[in-house]
Amino acid sequence: GDSVTQMEGPVTLSEEAFLTINCTYTATGYPSLFWYVQYPGEGLQLLLKATKADDKGSNKGFEATYRKETTSFHLEKGSVQVSDSAVYFCALRVNTGGFKTIFGAGTRLFVKA
Amino acid sequence: KAGVTQTPRYLIKTRGQQVTLSCSPISGHRSVSWYQQTPGQGLQFLFEYFSETQRNKGNFPGRFSGRQFSNSRSEMNVSTLELGDSALYLCASNLQGGDEKLFFGSGTQLSVL
Repeated sequence: GDSVTQMEGPVTLSEEAFLTINCTYTATGYPSLFWYVQYPGEGLQLLLKATKADDKGSNKGFEATYRKETTSFHLEKGSVQVSDSAVYFCALRVNTGGFKTIFGAGTRLFVKA
Repeated sequence: KAGVTQTPRYLIKTRGQQVTLSCSPISGHRSVSWYQQTPGQGLQFLFEYFSETQRNKGNFPGRFSGRQFSNSRSEMNVSTLELGDSALYLCASNLQGGDEKLFFGSGTQLSVL
């Protein structure tokens, strides 16, 4: 079945550190890939997306590249800020006779000043 | 433009009861999907509707059901509640039900006692 596996958290970093959150997927068909973020006290919102192999999604300094050969979509940011503290969800959206979105378990990020 | 609205925000029920949750999508959005969020299982896909038709369903028992009305508003129903149904239930909408991003509501927090 379709699934998303992302690294367990929490991840604790100091401000300006480099961030990587790993995400791999299994899917029937050809999914679109997403990272959603949930800031404290707020709802889930889209961070970035990629719809085909080798596409790079980017937003707010975050990047992720759709790697079909390794079925991965790792999230990276060169220099994190305290305001990046949140829960990050990797997700795939696939059409299997109707669309569905499958989420990873989420990775909580704490950034210390 | 108003966002995705879910009501009620909080619910407390007892085992064996049933519950109905409501979701109003962003105006013009024709697709609504539902998710169950728990600390142990993360975000799990329940079902997705487009133009009043259920197009896909996750791996949940038949006690979980839903429907979508002609104005795109959606309801989900859980019958014969169990303790394990305690969760945050999230609704999301998107414009055409394709691989575009999802817009999430704030959720309904259901507690089953």
